[in-house]
Amino acid sequence: AQSVTQLDSHVSVSEGTPVLLRCNYSSSYSPSLFWYVQHPNKGLQLLLKYTSAATLVKGINGFEAEFKKSETSFHLTKPSAHMSDAAEYFCVVSFVNDYKLSFGAGTTVTVRA
Amino acid sequence: NAGVTQTPKFRVLKTGQSMTLLCAQDMNHEYMYWYRQDPGMGLRLIHYSVGEGTTAKGEVPDGYNVSRLKKQNFLLGLESAAPSQTSVYFCASTSWEVGQGSETQYFGPGTRLLVL
Repeated sequence: AQSVTQLDSHVSVSEGTPVLLRCNYSSSYSPSLFWYVQHPNKGLQLLLKYTSAATLVKGINGFEAEFKKSETSFHLTKPSAHMSDAAEYFCVVSFVNDYKLSFGAGTTVTVRA
Repeated sequence: NAGVTQTPKFRVLKTGQSMTLLCAQDMNHEYMYWYRQDPGMGLRLIHYSVGEGTTAKGEVPDGYNVSRLKKQNFLLGLESAAPSQTSVYFCASTSWEVGQGSETQYFGPGTRLLVL
């Protein structure tokens, strides 16, 4: 069965410092992987997705993620956090012909001034 | 192009009452989904539909029913609401390609439901 684990439920960073959100998945098959962001009282917005092309994926707002098959990981990073990055982030996995997404529990990011 | 819309945005129910949540999309997507979001649990799939007239159970279907009579609409019904169904409900849609699996799901803004 497929599953996705976000290793940190909460991450706090200072503005201007790097952000790292960790995600691991379990699967016997090649997955598609996504990161979504949810700002307070809003819907979910796609940040980026991995679809078996380049292993380093660039997304919106300066975020990027690297797919590492050997580690079954898809960690999200940003070099310099901005106050507007305060939100909840979800790592999501899907598989060929499965039609469904599996969500991690989410990581809440707090940015300190 | 409104994307995915949900009505209502917020609702308070008493235990035992019924209601229907409406999801509409104008992107001509075949696939539509209903999720619930609870603190610390991410989004969990309630029901989904792979086309007009079809529905299927997701991870947490008990207490909910759905219908997809028109391609653009996906209805979620609660026949007898319970406090455990207090949650935020999100609808999503996608144009899933057979043999792929990498298509983006587009989400509505959510419906906050409080069951007293």
